Amino acid sequence: GQNIDQPTEMTATEGAIVQINCTYQTSGFNGLFWYQQHAGEAPTFLSYNVLDGLEEKGRFSSFLSRSKGYSYLLLKELQMKDSASYLCAVRDMGAGQAGTALIFGKGTTLSVSS
Amino acid sequence: EPEVTQTPSHQVTQMGQEVILRCVPISNHLYFYWYRQILGQKVEFLVSFYNNEISEKSEIFDDQFSVERPDGSNFTLKIRSTKLEDSAMYFCASKPGQVLTDTQYFGPGTRLTVL
Repeated sequence: GQNIDQPTEMTATEGAIVQINCTYQTSGFNGLFWYQQHAGEAPTFLSYNVLDGLEEKGRFSSFLSRSKGYSYLLLKELQMKDSASYLCAVRDMGAGQAGTALIFGKGTTLSVSS
Repeated sequence: EPEVTQTPSHQVTQMGQEVILRCVPISNHLYFYWYRQILGQKVEFLVSFYNNEISEKSEIFDDQFSVERPDGSNFTLKIRSTKLEDSAMYFCASKPGQVLTDTQYFGPGTRLTVL
């Protein structure tokens, strides 16, 4: 089976840096995704990691350690518009599956204040 | 930029009724998905569809659910006899192909309310 854990809520102030952690357990890891979801809207893609290390994309970076089953999303220079839920999702090549479905964590609600 | 579209944005139905949720994936994409999100809970995978057949499905996707690609552009999710617990946001997603780095792009969702 799969298990994905992330903190429920985080708060930060504008201009700060925040790190959102995600730990996962899967039977056949095949990539980890971070999505942003504003309330009542669809998830939008932020980043993807399949190999160990850091992927940087502007103000957002994501890190993966496959041996530890661990990832984080780093958001720099926080803005009010970054207030949203951040969803960690893994692609799992579990037995009998084609392995393209995403299994999501419960999401971390980030509140950015001025 | 191409987008996944979904209709309707909100569907209200009575328990026991059939509903069809519609999606138009991005035009050159090959993999299509349905996910649902019950209010306040996580996004849950329902089913994936490739090459005109179901590729994988979750335990949630039981006999009351079916999917279809009736033509070259639409992808539908049918719930045969809705239950109260089917109330959720239903998201359609699509991705270009089987390359590992392919990203799934989500539509805006259909909010289904079962009374």
